[in-house]
Amino acid sequence: AQSVSQHNHHVILSEAASLELGCNYSYGGTVNLFWYVQYPGQHLQLLLKYFSGDPLVKGIKGFEAEFIKSKFSFNLRKPSVQWSDTAEYFCAVKRQTGANNLFFGTGTRLTVIP
Amino acid sequence: ETGVTQSPTHLIKTRGQQVTLRCSSQSGHNTVSWYQQALGQGPQFIFQYYREEENGRGNFPPRFSGLQFPNYSSELNVNALELDDSALYLCASSESSGVSYEQYFGPGTRLTVT
Repeated sequence: AQSVSQHNHHVILSEAASLELGCNYSYGGTVNLFWYVQYPGQHLQLLLKYFSGDPLVKGIKGFEAEFIKSKFSFNLRKPSVQWSDTAEYFCAVKRQTGANNLFFGTGTRLTVIP
Repeated sequence: ETGVTQSPTHLIKTRGQQVTLRCSSQSGHNTVSWYQQALGQGPQFIFQYYREEENGRGNFPPRFSGLQFPNYSSELNVNALELDDSALYLCASSESSGVSYEQYFGPGTRLTVT
């Protein structure tokens, strides 16, 4: 069965620290990969996505993610976090064949201390 | 903010009752997907509607049903509510049902079943 794993449940960082959030998926076929962010009291927003091509993708607000096919991973990174990055981050996978829906991980809560 | 709206914002129901949640898709979008997000979990796919037809379904029992209207707005109906149905219900719309189309999420409806 399709599954998405986010191993970090809660990450606490000081401002200016670097961030890396892990995401692994279990589907063996071709996938599209996404990172969504949910700021407190707001709706889910797309941070970045990977469909094909350069495995290093850049998103909004200085975030980037690298797709490593051999590791079934799509880790999210940011060189220097800000207090405003405090939010819940979700990795999601969509298969390129079959049902057109997103499979989400359980999320990682990021708290940035000023 | 996206153009996806959901109503009501919050709802409290008693076990065994029925509930209807509503979603208005973003202008120009003909596909609506519904997700259930339990506390501390990532969203789980319930079903998708494309041009008024169900276009895929997740692992939810038949008491979860839906409709899409000619204006592409949608309803999620849940019969015989159970305590475990307490969750945030998210609606997402996209331009089409194809895998390359981004899903835009609404703010959600928080359902509490007592």
